[in-house]
Amino acid sequence: AQSVAQPEDQVNVAEGNPLTVKCTYSVSGNPYLFWYVQYPNRGLQFLLKYITGDNLVKGSYGFEAEFNKSQTSFHLKKPSALVSDSALYFCAVIISYNTDKLIFGTGTRLQVFP
Amino acid sequence: DTGVSQNPRHKITKRGQNVTFRCDPISEHNRLYWYRQTLGQGPEFLTYFQNEAQLEKSRLLSDRFSAERPKGSFSTLEIQRTEQGDSAMYLCASSLVVSTDTQYFGPGTRLTVL
Repeated sequence: AQSVAQPEDQVNVAEGNPLTVKCTYSVSGNPYLFWYVQYPNRGLQFLLKYITGDNLVKGSYGFEAEFNKSQTSFHLKKPSALVSDSALYFCAVIISYNTDKLIFGTGTRLQVFP
Repeated sequence: DTGVSQNPRHKITKRGQNVTFRCDPISEHNRLYWYRQTLGQGPEFLTYFQNEAQLEKSRLLSDRFSAERPKGSFSTLEIQRTEQGDSAMYLCASSLVVSTDTQYFGPGTRLTVL
């Protein structure tokens, strides 16, 4: 089955430190990969996506992600975390040959401590 | 603001009642998607439209659920004979036609079935 895994329910990091939120995928075919962020009682906000080309993708608010085909991963990173980055982060995939629906992971709660 | 809008933002209803939600996509977007998100989970795909045509429906979408996009602009999602298990956040997203295009989400409608 096609799926996305976010192995960590919560990630804690001190403000100013680098952060990583992990995502792995299991799909057949070429994946299109996305990261979204969700603040309390709000919809999802797009951060970045990988379609093709350069494996390092830069997105909004200083976030970036690296597509690693051999490890089937698409981890979200930021060099220096802010308290305002505290939110729920979702990784998602579209299976390019099949359908245009997003398949989401279960989410990772990022808590940045001052 | 020209983002995706959803109404109402909150809906409380009694079991057995019918409810209808509305989504207004970004004006130039041909694709419109509905997702459902329950507490602690990532959004799950329900259905999507390209213009007025409904292209795919999830098996999650029981016969109590119906969605329309009559003129290819706004969409409605109706749930008949609501059950407590229908309590969730219902998210709408829109995009341009190609699968690599980003889906932009609205703020969601939170449904509580008593």
